[in-house]
Amino acid sequence: EPEVTQTPSHQVTQMGQEVILRCVPISNHLYFYWYRQILGQKVEFLVSFYNNEISEKSEIFDDQFSVERPDGSNFTLKIRSTKLEDSAMYFCASSRDRNTEAFFGQGTRLTVV
Amino acid sequence: AQKVTQAQTEISVVEKEDVTLDCVYETRDTTYYLFWYKQPPSGELVFLIRRNSFDEQNEISGRYSWNFQKSTSSFNFTITASQVVDSAVYFCALSEASLNTGFQKLVFGTGTRLLVSP
Repeated sequence: EPEVTQTPSHQVTQMGQEVILRCVPISNHLYFYWYRQILGQKVEFLVSFYNNEISEKSEIFDDQFSVERPDGSNFTLKIRSTKLEDSAMYFCASSRDRNTEAFFGQGTRLTVV
Repeated sequence: AQKVTQAQTEISVVEKEDVTLDCVYETRDTTYYLFWYKQPPSGELVFLIRRNSFDEQNEISGRYSWNFQKSTSSFNFTITASQVVDSAVYFCALSEASLNTGFQKLVFGTGTRLLVSP
């Protein structure tokens, strides 16, 4: 069964460093998303991406964040200068179209120290 | 703005008991979608069901069933004869269409932690 895969599963980084979280969405899906979940809290929308551009982003997704689909299969989330409060589980998701269910990856736990 | 409320923070049951997880939502959209996701201890989000706002039929899938009632803006989830493997956090979510782009994004509730003991 096709699935969304994310790497790495866990990343520890020092405050101020740049991190790139990687995702491989399901191959025939056209819509891609990043969500995050601060430990013990609810899952929050960050950004949606379609046709090689951002379609929607939340207030959380400020200038420190960027997304890219560099090669037609990977979908990345970059945080330029990490802060302690960026520590969270980051989920990538993809869907076939805008109204169908989104399938989530297993998440990348980011710890900023 | 859309909102999803899961009032039950944590529920503990003994195996084989039935359990219902409540979900109440708020939206001004006439067309919307409701979802349930399961987050086991390993952390991933597992899709369970999607229901559109025009389909109020209850759905059953094995030991899982869902009761959608537009009149009370509720989309409750029942597990029959619970098992230890059902222990997880369950999230209810509502799709929200952007006023600007029409693109959907999910608004999640705060989740209900279900603990099933042997």
